[in-house]
Amino acid sequence: KQEVTQIPAALSVPEGENLVLNCSFTDSAIYNLQWFRQDPGKGLTSLLLIQSSQREQTSGRLNASLDKSSGRSTLYIAASQPGDSATYLCAVPSYNTDKLIFGTGTRLQVFP
Amino acid sequence: DVKVTQSSRYLVKRTGEKVFLECVQDMDHENMFWYRQDPGLGLRLIYFSYDVKMKEKGDIPEGYSVSREKKERFSLILESASTNQTSMYLCASSLIGAQMYTEAFFGQGTRLTVV
Repeated sequence: KQEVTQIPAALSVPEGENLVLNCSFTDSAIYNLQWFRQDPGKGLTSLLLIQSSQREQTSGRLNASLDKSSGRSTLYIAASQPGDSATYLCAVPSYNTDKLIFGTGTRLQVFP
Repeated sequence: DVKVTQSSRYLVKRTGEKVFLECVQDMDHENMFWYRQDPGLGLRLIYFSYDVKMKEKGDIPEGYSVSREKKERFSLILESASTNQTSMYLCASSLIGAQMYTEAFFGQGTRLTVV
């Protein structure tokens, strides 16, 4: 059964730092991996979808990498800003289905 | 842009009431999902639908049912609301296929409180 974990659970950094958020999954037979952002009391916003054939995907200051063989993905946030404060979740589809399995998230706080 | 819209941001219902949570998507997606999110437990799948009138139980279907009469609309029904169903409910949609390009999109969430 696929399990997804995220480390660290919480992170507090000063503005301007470059950050790395980690996501690990136990079954490497995935089609893709998706990163989401969730603001308090709100729904999830899709940030990046990285396909199994890709190693990296970039959007603005965000860069996601995928290493299927080691069961890891990282989300790199460059030059962090207070507006980046949110919970970040990663998710992978359950094998041979479209149902997503989520990690428990990393709660990020960027202070001025 | 894909839009997934949930009918209410906040709901307060009484124990025993029948509650309907509505979700509409505008991108002709085959898949629609209902999750609930609770502190310390993360997101858990309640029900999943991959076509009109088709449904599949998720991890925690007890106390819930769903309806999908039209492709764009997926309803979650609490037959008799209980306090342990107080939670954040999230609807999502995606294209069918379990393929590399299947990206899921979420609604803004419904915070349900059962008193």
